[in-house]
Amino acid sequence: GDSVTQMEGPVTLSEEAFLTINCTYTATGYPSLFWYVQYPGEGLQLLLKATKADDKGSNKGFEATYRKETTSFHLEKGSVQVSDSAVYFCALSDRGAQKLVFGQGTRLTINP
Amino acid sequence: DSGVTQTPKHLITATGQRVTLRCSPRSGDLSVYWYQQSLDQGLQFLIQYYNGEERAKGNILERFSAQQFPDLHSELNLSSLELGDSALYFCASSPSTSGGLDTQYFGPGTRLTVL
Repeated sequence: GDSVTQMEGPVTLSEEAFLTINCTYTATGYPSLFWYVQYPGEGLQLLLKATKADDKGSNKGFEATYRKETTSFHLEKGSVQVSDSAVYFCALSDRGAQKLVFGQGTRLTINP
Repeated sequence: DSGVTQTPKHLITATGQRVTLRCSPRSGDLSVYWYQQSLDQGLQFLIQYYNGEERAKGNILERFSAQQFPDLHSELNLSSLELGDSALYFCASSPSTSGGLDTQYFGPGTRLTVL
């Protein structure tokens, strides 16, 4: 079945550092790809998405590019802030399916 | 604020009991999804309803059931509760059944603790 694999956490960085969180997927069809963020004590918020190969999703300084050849959707940010501390989930949704398949989540902590 | 509301926010109950979790989707959304987030299983899809009808089932136990009412709100019923059912339960909604094209918007979740 479809699956998503994220880099193991936790990840700890200093403020203004460059961030990469790796995400790879396995899917039989042509999935849409998502990054969701979960701040402490809150629900999941959509951060960005891409619906086809080579699409780039971006929001709040975060970017991810849908790479079909490497089945990846890595999350990047050039300069992280303390307020970016959260758990980040990579997810896919196949066009025929009715559900999101999530990675295990990566906890990110940014120190001032 | 996603526009999806869930009640209650916290629920503490005992093993063997039954509880009902409620979800109101965003205005205009016809699809409702339920997910379970636990430390050992991560985020798992449970079930989806579209305009009152069940459309997809995931890893939902037989002790669990759900329904979507004519006003489009949904309820997740958990019965014969076990310690392992302790988790965060999320509801999400989207405009249609096309999971691959629509974004799912998540509610704040209901934290269930079974003692």
